[in-house]
Amino acid sequence: EVQLVESGGGLIQPGGSLRLSCAASGFTVSSNYMSWVRQAPGKGLEWVSVIYSGGSTYYADSVKGRFTISRDNSKNTLYLQMNSLRAEDTAVYYCARGSPNSGSYIDYWGQGTLVTVSS
Amino acid sequence: SYVLTQPPSVSVAPGKTARITCGGNNIGSKSVHWYQQKPGQAPVLVIYYDSDRPSGIPERFSGSNSGNTATLTISRVEAGDEADYYCQVWDSSSDHPNWVFGGGTKLTVL
Repeated sequence: EVQLVESGGGLIQPGGSLRLSCAASGFTVSSNYMSWVRQAPGKGLEWVSVIYSGGSTYYADSVKGRFTISRDNSKNTLYLQMNSLRAEDTAVYYCARGSPNSGSYIDYWGQGTLVTVSS
Repeated sequence: SYVLTQPPSVSVAPGKTARITCGGNNIGSKSVHWYQQKPGQAPVLVIYYDSDRPSGIPERFSGSNSGNTATLTISRVEAGDEADYYCQVWDSSSDHPNWVFGGGTKLTVL
């Protein structure tokens, strides 16, 4: 059974850093497109970042230069390092698996972890 | 970047048919996927590749895509269908492919 379990969210001051983790089971992270998608309170879904199976990484313009996506193949875990956090980064962050082969849609989501950026 | 436009809300009586649209420039040339999200829960895929249903999704959910509009149709609507619905495409037109979401539509069952 495929499972994605996020952790690492919490309350952080503006300008601070946080690292989110997503522990995967039932499949191999390094063989799939893996992404982070966020949802601000009362708002819609926003794609944040993706890491391809080959290791290439891409970011939304809103987080480029501040966030870094990575994975640890030995732990089958996805990460999101978030630096220089802003109030507008406040959101539930979901770990998501891209569909096999094409990665064009999300077939599995984690339960989400809340990040609150506030002084 | 590619933009998807959804109506903020749709209301329907139980047992009737709900249609939620997703507009985009020549969206018919892309594959559209739909997600259902209930309050406090993660989204769930309900339609992929325009009209395919994942296992476990009722046949009442169907999709179509042509021209500049994709549509999610929910037949014989039930109270449990009340949720937010998001359309999504894989946008390869920018310098890097990424997932694009519509703004979401809140389905209210009257």
